[in-house]
Amino acid sequence: ELKVEQNPLFLSMQEGKNYTIYCNYSTTSDRLYWYRQDPGKSLESLFVLLSNGAVKQEGRLMASLDTKARLSTLHITAAVHDLSATYFCAGSTSGTYKYIFGTGTRLKVLA
Amino acid sequence: NAGVTQTPKFQVLKTGQSMTLQCAQDMNHNSMYWYRQDPGMGLRLIYYSASEGTTDKGEVPNGYNVSRLNKREFSLRLESAAPSQTSVYFCASSVDRGWNQPQHFGDGTRLSIL
Repeated sequence: ELKVEQNPLFLSMQEGKNYTIYCNYSTTSDRLYWYRQDPGKSLESLFVLLSNGAVKQEGRLMASLDTKARLSTLHITAAVHDLSATYFCAGSTSGTYKYIFGTGTRLKVLA
Repeated sequence: NAGVTQTPKFQVLKTGQSMTLQCAQDMNHNSMYWYRQDPGMGLRLIYYSASEGTTDKGEVPNGYNVSRLNKREFSLRLESAAPSQTSVYFCASSVDRGWNQPQHFGDGTRLSIL
């Protein structure tokens, strides 16, 4: 059964710095999703990665997928305070309807 | 542009009481889901409905039942609430076949069981 692990669980970083959040998964999951959640709010879809080598970018966030390593990364470039949130990755096995979520990475960007 | 609507937003129950959480989507999505979110545990799938007329268990189905009333609506019922069911519950929907489209989430129901 698919398991999804994220690290780090907490991340406190200075504005202007770069950092990467890692998402490992246990079995075949050639679909990987990234979501953002602000405190007390719902989840917002950021990226859908559909194939090995996929890379997507939106503003200061860039996500990539390596299906051979069973790894997805969310890279933050020159962080700003507005990026403070909890970020979740989720995997889904082809042919099923289940999305399995990681435990989330709580990001705090300090001014 | 409502998307996924959950009711109620907040609820406090006593142990042993029952209640139904409602979810409706207006995006003509086929698949719908119920999750619970607990601190440090991410989102865990309770039940899902791949299409109208079908429901299946997720990771943590015990103590819950669901009904896919029609294509728009998917309800979650707690028959006899327990303190361990205190959580934030999210409903989500996706277009079709789930796995190559992101899910759209409701705003959540914050449920406390005393």
